[in-house]
Amino acid sequence: AQKITQTQPGMFVQEKEAVTLDCTYDTSDPSYGLFWYKQPSSGEMIFLIYQGSYDQQNATEGRYSLNFQKARKSANLVISASQLGDSAMYFCAMRDGGYSTLTFGKGTMLLVSP
Amino acid sequence: EPEVTQTPSHQVTQMGQEVILRCVPISNHLYFYWYRQILGQKVEFLVSFYNNEISEKSEIFDDQFSVERPDGSNFTLKIRSTKLEDSAMYFCASSGPTTGTYEQYFGPGTRLTVT
Repeated sequence: AQKITQTQPGMFVQEKEAVTLDCTYDTSDPSYGLFWYKQPSSGEMIFLIYQGSYDQQNATEGRYSLNFQKARKSANLVISASQLGDSAMYFCAMRDGGYSTLTFGKGTMLLVSP
Repeated sequence: EPEVTQTPSHQVTQMGQEVILRCVPISNHLYFYWYRQILGQKVEFLVSFYNNEISEKSEIFDDQFSVERPDGSNFTLKIRSTKLEDSAMYFCASSGPTTGTYEQYFGPGTRLTVT
């Protein structure tokens, strides 16, 4: 079974609008962490945001926020006020089982139009 | 801002040749990783390294692969005899400096092309 599922292969949004990228996860470990990374066309992986399973509040980093719904096992990334530079592939990833390695989803390609 | 660096950015090699991919993690980090991404696919974990030894490895990381921290700054991935299917982007990542700091910072990657 997939540990990380990203059901949206591609998303389109207009500049200045908000967009939500979906991520669901599967783990039986009570201690885990969820990450979002951005991969622009140049190929590098840019860390965006982290949410720990015991964190009481949803993580926020500037225009990025993580909508963490533990009971639904979802960790959606919300990008507010999209910019053209947000066009990229976005990966959700999870660390669990007491290990530090990350398991990645297949990614969502976001295209921001003017 | 500190960052992970990787060299070379692109390596082309012939099947059967040995390659060494190099990484300089963030200086006060203690945990080091290699991941790979075959073109158009998701990122896959290869190996993690802590306290001068491998702490975890995936099924991909077979006897053809090895990692080393030859000095206080570099972290290398060696592929002994490359195969066509080793063509991928290889990412180094680091995290630390203390346990409980889980954010992994990735380098820009080395694109390996095996011909």
